[in-house]
This record gives sequence, C-alpha cells and structure tokens, in this order.
Amino acid sequence: DIVMTQSPDSLAVSLGERATINCKSSQSLLSSANNENYLAWYQHKPGQPPKLLISWASTRESGVPDRFSGSGSGADFTLTISSLQAEDVAVYHCQQYYSRPITFGQGTRLEIK
Amino acid sequence: QVQLVQSGAEVERPGASVKVSCKASGYNFNDYAMHWVRQAPGQRLEWMGWINADNGRTEFSQKFQGRVTITRDTSASTAYMELTSLRSEDTAIYYCARGTCRGCYLIDYWGQGTLVTVSS
Repeated sequence: DIVMTQSPDSLAVSLGERATINCKSSQSLLSSANNENYLAWYQHKPGQPPKLLISWASTRESGVPDRFSGSGSGADFTLTISSLQAEDVAVYHCQQYYSRPITFGQGTRLEIK
Repeated sequence: QVQLVQSGAEVERPGASVKVSCKASGYNFNDYAMHWVRQAPGQRLEWMGWINADNGRTEFSQKFQGRVTITRDTSASTAYMELTSLRSEDTAIYYCARGTCRGCYLIDYWGQGTLVTVSS
C-alpha cells in the first residue's frame, strides 16, 4: 500500500498570511502513461463531509477560491493557501488515487493564530 | 446538484452487522463509481471499497475482504455497504463518496456520513 505522510500535523497561521501543507507519498504518483500526478487535496470541516479542492496535484475544482493552490510532482506535494481566511479553518487531507487501495494522509489541522 | 444522502446513525453490539444506505440524486447514478470510506476517532480516512454502479463490479481493501459487501439498486439510485462481525474498532463515521467516472478512484462528492457505534 502507498503510505501518505503529511506535515505538519497541525498549523496555526494568522489571518491574511500564507499556509503551507506538505504531503509525501511512499512511491511516485506520477503516471508515465499520461504524465499526471494522481494526488488530491480535500478540506474537511467539523460535522461536514470532505470537500474536493484540488485534483491531479494542481487542478483547482470549480468554485474553489484561487487562494488555494496545489503543486509538486512524483512523491512530494504541497497545498498552499495564499492568504488565510477565517472560513479556511479545517482539517486538510491528501489522497493518492494512483493505485489500490486508495490511501489518505493523516490530516493537517489548520487553525487561526 | 449532486447529493448523497446516507441513512442515520446506528448502534450495534459486537458480532452484529450493519448496513448503511446512500441515496444519490442530481446525476445519472449508473455513470459513476461509488466508494465507501470510513474515519474512526482520531484516525485517518480509510478506504473500504467501491462498486461500479453500472455493472455492479466491486473491489475491496484487503483489510475488509470477507467482512464487507457493497451493493446497489439502480432503480432507486442507492448504494449499500454492509459490514459484518462488528468489533469496537469498527466504531467510525462511514461515508459514501462518488468516483468521478464509472471506474475512477478520484472522489468528488461525499455523503454526510453515518456514525456507527459498536458497543456492548
């Protein structure tokens, strides 16, 4: 199974500042067939289901604010929130869909400093 | 709009079984996969398996092989997940979640979650 490891486990950032969450996979998620990285990011607020923010490592979903961006390739990925807003407080999960079983990172809890 | 509405919370005894339903609306049910993912307290999200809603083909995580069954009723646009031989470690929120195509492992929409508590 591919192991997904996020860092840090928790993060406190001031409003308007940048938040950066890292995700490392135990093997490459880059497909040689289509040159795509099979990595997604989800936002998970208490009492709500997870929400897909980013797919294919860097493709923002429709309706997701452009302050959210994804980057990285192979086995190292980053989710960046360029200017933290109060509504961004949540747990963020990375997920690989390169191979079965699908696996998730342990989650990063983002709070306001 | 896409909606996945799950059945309500369950409390079960160890050794019992639980069946959770997930009714889909806002899209053609047969055109997408349905995954089941759970999250136990303090643990990461854990994928259990999926069903191709069109042909009913299923695949499960090895961890749950033999204990989980995923089915669907296309006439009701509803998927079901049954977990047997419950133990306390199965206490978790169970989510159904739509794959982005019939055989896709990328998940785009999630149900609201069903809390299953296993306790004697």
